[in-house]
Amino acid sequence: AQSVTQLDSQVPVFEEAPVELRCNYSSSVSVYLFWYVQYPNQGLQLLLKYLSGSTLVESINGFEAEFNKSQTSFHLRKPSVHISDTAEYFCAVSKGAAGNKLTFGGGTRVLVKP
Amino acid sequence: EAGVAQSPRYKIIEKRQSVAFWCNPISGHATLYWYQQILGQGPKLLIQFQNNGVVDDSQLPKDRFSAERLKGVDSTLKIQPAKLEDSAVYLCASSLDLALAYEQYFGPGTRLTVT
Repeated sequence: AQSVTQLDSQVPVFEEAPVELRCNYSSSVSVYLFWYVQYPNQGLQLLLKYLSGSTLVESINGFEAEFNKSQTSFHLRKPSVHISDTAEYFCAVSKGAAGNKLTFGGGTRVLVKP
Repeated sequence: EAGVAQSPRYKIIEKRQSVAFWCNPISGHATLYWYQQILGQGPKLLIQFQNNGVVDDSQLPKDRFSAERLKGVDSTLKIQPAKLEDSAVYLCASSLDLALAYEQYFGPGTRLTVT
């Protein structure tokens, strides 16, 4: 069975500062990896995904995540956050095959302070 | 393109009562998912449908939870009778097909409070 661990439940950060959200997974097979974001009172939205190819993936709003197979990690980073990045971020993993369900981590709440 | 719709958005019931949630997936999406998200935790898959057939319900507490997807479009999730520990947000999601199960679109959720 696969599992996802998000090491930080809350991350306070000042506006324009960098942020890193840590995600580690365990799986005996190859995986797909995802970051979802949940803004207050909204549903989860896919932020970025790693399926194959380049281990560094980027989102349209400045986030990036790097797949590290040896460390079984998929950490999310942003060099300069905005107030609007205040949200909860979920790392998720799926077995690298069709039809396999997403397993989510416990989430990291990011609070951006002015 | 309209997103995944859910209703109601909020529901408060007493323990031992029953409750039902409704979900309308994105048009054309064959695969539908129900998740339970307890406060402070990530979403946990309860049941997954492909059209109107169940693909995975291994984590659905079948003694009190039931779900159906008649005609392969809308779905309802029911809890009967509810317990205090069922207080959570119930999320519905859909994907185009099983082959794209990793690319799911989520609705806003129904927040259930059991008192």
